[in-house]
Order: sequence, then C-alpha cells, then structure tokens
Amino acid sequence: GIQVEQSPPDLILQEGANSTLRCNFSDSVNNLQWFHQNPWGQLINLFYIPSGTKQNGRLSATTVATERYSLLYISSSQTTDSGVYFCAVEGGFQKLVFGTGTRLLVSP
Amino acid sequence: DGGITQSPKYLFRKEGQNVTLSCEQNLNHDAMYWYRQDPGQGLRLIYYSQIVNDFQKGDIAEGYSVSREKKESFPLTVTSAQKNPTAFYLCASSSPHETRTDTQYFGPGTRLTVL
Repeated sequence: GIQVEQSPPDLILQEGANSTLRCNFSDSVNNLQWFHQNPWGQLINLFYIPSGTKQNGRLSATTVATERYSLLYISSSQTTDSGVYFCAVEGGFQKLVFGTGTRLLVSP
Repeated sequence: DGGITQSPKYLFRKEGQNVTLSCEQNLNHDAMYWYRQDPGQGLRLIYYSQIVNDFQKGDIAEGYSVSREKKESFPLTVTSAQKNPTAFYLCASSSPHETRTDTQYFGPGTRLTVL
C-alpha cells in the first residue's frame, strides 16, 4: 500500500518563529489532507490539498503531486499551534492513510 | 450546531468484556469511519461505511465489529477477541458528493483502557 512519511518527527520553536513541515508519499494521490491534533486529541482539518497551494491565515500548504510531496508552512507561530500535525493521503476509495505526524511544541 | 459526537470520553473495561463506542453525526454525511490511534502513532483505519446498511473492513478490523442502521450513527464494538484494545478511538465522517472533496471531520475521541 501507499506509504506516508513526515518530517521532522519533533520540532521545538520559540513563539514567533516560522517552520516548514514535510510530507512525502510513495504513489500518486487524488486526495491529501493536513490535520492538527491538539493536546486533548481533537483532530481539525487544516487543508484539503491534492495539488497546488492554499493559504489560511498564518498557515499555508503546497502539494507538488508530480514529485509526491506536500509542505505545511506555519508563520509567526503561537503557543496554540502546539500539537501534532498529520498528513493523510488517499489509500483507496475514500480511505485515508496517515503519516506518523510531526510533534510541534511552541514555547513562549 | 452540526458536528460529530462520541461517547463516552473515557472508558475502562475488564479483559474479556465486549464494549461499544458510540459515534453520532448530524452533518448529513454519507460516509463514516473508525480509526485507532496508539501513543506516538498515526491513525489506522478499523472500519468504514459509505452508505447505510453497508460497511467495509479497514486495515485493522480483527477483533472489532460495526453496524450502520442509521445514517447518523456508526457504533463500534470492541470484542474480547481484540488482543490489545487499549487505545484512543476516533470517529470521522465525510460527504464527497456534497462537498466535492473527501475532507474528513473528526469527533473528540474515546480513550479506552483495558484493566
């Protein structure tokens, strides 16, 4: 099946810093999503981005489908950005395969 | 407000007991999913349902069972056959035909601990 790798596995930032999270996948996909899991376990969908670039406030994402990777950019990080960021890609009809995530800690 | 609810939030079970986790959505979504998350890991798909009265096994279905009798509800039963059931369980839903995306929306999760 399709493989999803995320890097880095852990990231510690000072408040205000910028960061880039990467997601590599092993096969072409029609569906790629980025999620944020807060410390209480709730997952929030950040982007549905099978290709191209999208922006939402301080967050933006770019997927280069032909090269099988996606990037999530976080600018001017805040402590509320802490948590785990997951990339998930389609592994079959309406089925998502998740990476193991990037754990982000933003310190004040 | 529209959303997905899961209950209970925390659940403790003795070995050898079956337990059922609830998932309800009022988003009018056709598809629903159950995932399992172990500490420090990503999510793995247990079962999914694309329509009422139909469901499919995911990657780790052994020891679990589901039903989809109503569009709004997709309960998951963790049976005694599941060898290591302690985990965080997440339910999700999506409606690709309405939204033209496969964006999945998640409930708050249930933490199951086997004593």
